[in-house]
Amino acid sequence: QVQLVQSGSELKKPGASVRISCKASGYMFTTYAMNWVRQAPGQGLEWMGWINTNTGNPTYAQGFSGRFVFSLDTSVRTAYLQIRSLKTEDTAVYYCARVADGWNYFDHWGQGALVTVSS
Amino acid sequence: QLVVTQSPSASASLGASVKLTCTLTSGPSDYAIAWHRQRPGMGPRFLMKVYSDGSHDRGVGIPHRFSGSSSGAERYLTISNLQSEDEADYYCQTWGPDIQVFGGGTKLTVL
Repeated sequence: QVQLVQSGSELKKPGASVRISCKASGYMFTTYAMNWVRQAPGQGLEWMGWINTNTGNPTYAQGFSGRFVFSLDTSVRTAYLQIRSLKTEDTAVYYCARVADGWNYFDHWGQGALVTVSS
Repeated sequence: QLVVTQSPSASASLGASVKLTCTLTSGPSDYAIAWHRQRPGMGPRFLMKVYSDGSHDRGVGIPHRFSGSSSGAERYLTISNLQSEDEADYYCQTWGPDIQVFGGGTKLTVL
């Protein structure tokens, strides 16, 4: 069955960087786009953008370019989200989510990775 | 610009039915949407896709007491025979060319 397993919680200081992983299994990794979604404490879901798992080309939603980097390692079926120059307002749970066939809704989600940024 | 709107909260009694609404506020009113459930402390889970004609496709393992429907720019999620485990946040999602959009979510309380 399809599974997206994310890396664990991270505690970082402002200005540091963090990389979150999302390991896929149960399907052909390069066939389905991978998205990233942020959920700040007590808030709703916010789409950050997506990466084409076939070409590696990332697309960033408004407000998520510059410090946020999507990447892949197709040899281990894993997508990555790196956040540079962390700010306290980056404290959130970050989810990876697979798009259903083509460009469509999200049919599978990772369990989420909590990133806490605090001095 | 693509915008979907949800009421912030809803409530219904155990065993009753509830109908949640997602409105395509800005953008084409014939877009399909998806419903996702997020239980407290957990990640979201896909429930179903709802089309503009009112038909819907449930996700794997989603029981038949969850159903979808449509009217104009509104898309609905109806949950019948409410259970305590249905208490959760429900998000609708729509998508367009190179964009994905979520509604603000509806917090469902089961009384």
